[in-house]
Amino acid sequence: NAGVTQTPKFRILKIGQSMTLQCTQDMNHNYMYWYRQDPGMGLKLIYYSVGAGITDKGEVPNGYNVSRSTTEDFPLRLELAAPSQTSVYFCASSYLQGRNQPQHFGDGTRLSIL
Amino acid sequence: KNEVEQSPQNLTAQEGEFITINCSYSVGISALHWLQQHPGGGIVSLFMLSSGKKKHGRLIATINIQEKHSSLHITASHPRDSAVYICAVQSLNTGNQFYFGTGTSLTVIP
Repeated sequence: NAGVTQTPKFRILKIGQSMTLQCTQDMNHNYMYWYRQDPGMGLKLIYYSVGAGITDKGEVPNGYNVSRSTTEDFPLRLELAAPSQTSVYFCASSYLQGRNQPQHFGDGTRLSIL
Repeated sequence: KNEVEQSPQNLTAQEGEFITINCSYSVGISALHWLQQHPGGGIVSLFMLSSGKKKHGRLIATINIQEKHSSLHITASHPRDSAVYICAVQSLNTGNQFYFGTGTSLTVIP
């Protein structure tokens, strides 16, 4: 089972460049999430989606955009990369929110902005 | 102030030792999750608790809702248990919102 797949695994960007972090899941999960993990900090929610066509901001959405055109895919877009966006990004999914389902995580994307 | 606090931040143990990692939280929750993150970076869910105690192999997780506290125990620790253990809570008011602790880095020495 593939689970949650993130690409790329590593990327170096220059300040001002843009890129899309891809996330896809094959578990037919309703809920999908993007987190960033900074050294010494807990995971912070960037954006989440409760289903196709529906997205909402999390705790740290500035500088990012998302879309959810299908159940499977939830890409995260950085339009103007800034050094503060250097982080490890995790995508996660879960089946039903509110019914206490565990989250399934991708392997992460390590992004450096130079 | 973080909604989720873990202790200790770092822990080194000899193989075979009994290990306890603590988690305290300050928000109303519908569930508490224990996650494991290996050096390669991948995160896996170990337990999801809303009350009482759960056991899986050598791992035991407990939660006290009244005291807003959870513990993760590892019996007969092994070097392969070396990882970062993360406590996360699922908000009662908005189940979409997860709050994460900063993690406990565990190293088990042979």
